[in-house]
Amino acid sequence: GAVVSQHPSWVICKSGTSVKIECRSLDFQATTMFWYRQFPKQSLMLMATSNEGSKATYEQGVEKDKFLINHASLTLSTLTVTSAHPEDSSFYICSARTGRGNEAFFGQGTRLTVV
Amino acid sequence: DAKTTQPTSMDCAEGRAANLPCNHSTISGNEYVYWYRQIHSQGPQYIIHGLKNNETNEMASLIITEDRKSSTLILPHATLRDTAVYYCIVRLATGNQFYFGTGTSLTVIP
Repeated sequence: GAVVSQHPSWVICKSGTSVKIECRSLDFQATTMFWYRQFPKQSLMLMATSNEGSKATYEQGVEKDKFLINHASLTLSTLTVTSAHPEDSSFYICSARTGRGNEAFFGQGTRLTVV
Repeated sequence: DAKTTQPTSMDCAEGRAANLPCNHSTISGNEYVYWYRQIHSQGPQYIIHGLKNNETNEMASLIITEDRKSSTLILPHATLRDTAVYYCIVRLATGNQFYFGTGTSLTVIP
């Protein structure tokens, strides 16, 4: 299957700082990427849909000014958690569609801990 | 906005077939059934998807009932590495987003 890579795998940051997470499609071009958040023992919750060259579409209840998404190229989308607080600590996962089989492939996730 | 119902958890003996059910009684005619699994602390892994015909690949088989209101994912010979949360997702072929429900936590027992 197609490969999606996230960086970093884990990050610890101080409260009030911003953190950027990268999502790359390594062997295909992804016009659409998705960002999810997952709290312990819960399912994945879709945060936003990222389209190359245009503004992201956020799910209801997700603050677009807090979770900044940039999808500047067909292989890279970034999620920036601004002014992070301990309640933003979570597992963040990206995925991308190949456009061929229409299935989505997921990155390995980024564990964010805000202290 | 998950449209599926799955049992919360299941156990399966190593080497036996694992049959994971999914109920999607409100599925529409042009919606596919997708299965993903998530091993602890990793991103979800694509398994299989289908519309109305049964599907098989190197990982699993997908059996969809004739009325399409339910389906079963079959792992023919479960191994310990198949222990994971399995998600059944209903989605339009032309749709974008994948919305995850609560999934089934499968534990393969030695």
